[in-house]
Amino acid sequence: AQKVTQAQTEISVVEKEDVTLDCVYETRDTTYYLFWYKQPPSGELVFLIRRNSFDEQNEISGRYSWNFQKSTSSFNFTITASQVVDSAVYFCALSDMIYNQGGKLIFGQGTELSVKP
Amino acid sequence: DAGVTQSPTHLIKTRGQQVTLRCSPISGHKSVSWYQQVLGQGPQFIFQYYEKEERGRGNFPDRFSARQFPNYSSELNVNALLLGDSALYLCASSLVDGPWAFFGQGTRLTVV
Repeated sequence: AQKVTQAQTEISVVEKEDVTLDCVYETRDTTYYLFWYKQPPSGELVFLIRRNSFDEQNEISGRYSWNFQKSTSSFNFTITASQVVDSAVYFCALSDMIYNQGGKLIFGQGTELSVKP
Repeated sequence: DAGVTQSPTHLIKTRGQQVTLRCSPISGHKSVSWYQQVLGQGPQFIFQYYEKEERGRGNFPDRFSARQFPNYSSELNVNALLLGDSALYLCASSLVDGPWAFFGQGTRLTVV
């Protein structure tokens, strides 16, 4: 069975601190996709990143970076120099479906990040 | 271009009633998925449709049903509402038949 675990329920940091959100996943498939979404209080899930299981290269996008390690089944997300606008609930998600075969996302429980000024 | 749009944004229903939620995908997107998000939890997959065919169904009772129209918009129906159906219902659309999803702002359903 597929499962995503985000062990950190809530994290509180002060502005400009770096923060890492942990994500551990379980799947028996060799081909899968991992995602991160941000959910502000408005409720909409905002897509941040998608990685496939064959691409373990870490990625950086501005203040955001992602560390994918298949050996530990982890896909962690780091925000550098956090800002108040980063306050939201962040979800990690897994999909074991491949292109043109449908797809569902399996979400973790989410980590609520609070960045204080 | 408009993103995924859902209507209504908020809804209050009484136990036992029926509800219909609507979703318009991003222009050109042919896949629509529905998710239920109970307060404090991650979204749970309900249905996925692609080209008007059901492509996947989550672990939800038969009270939940959906359909996709020729213009790729979709409706989610829930019959015999229970208090536990109170949740944020999210619609997601994708260009292809796969897990590349962009989400709408959701419909917040309260069952009293």
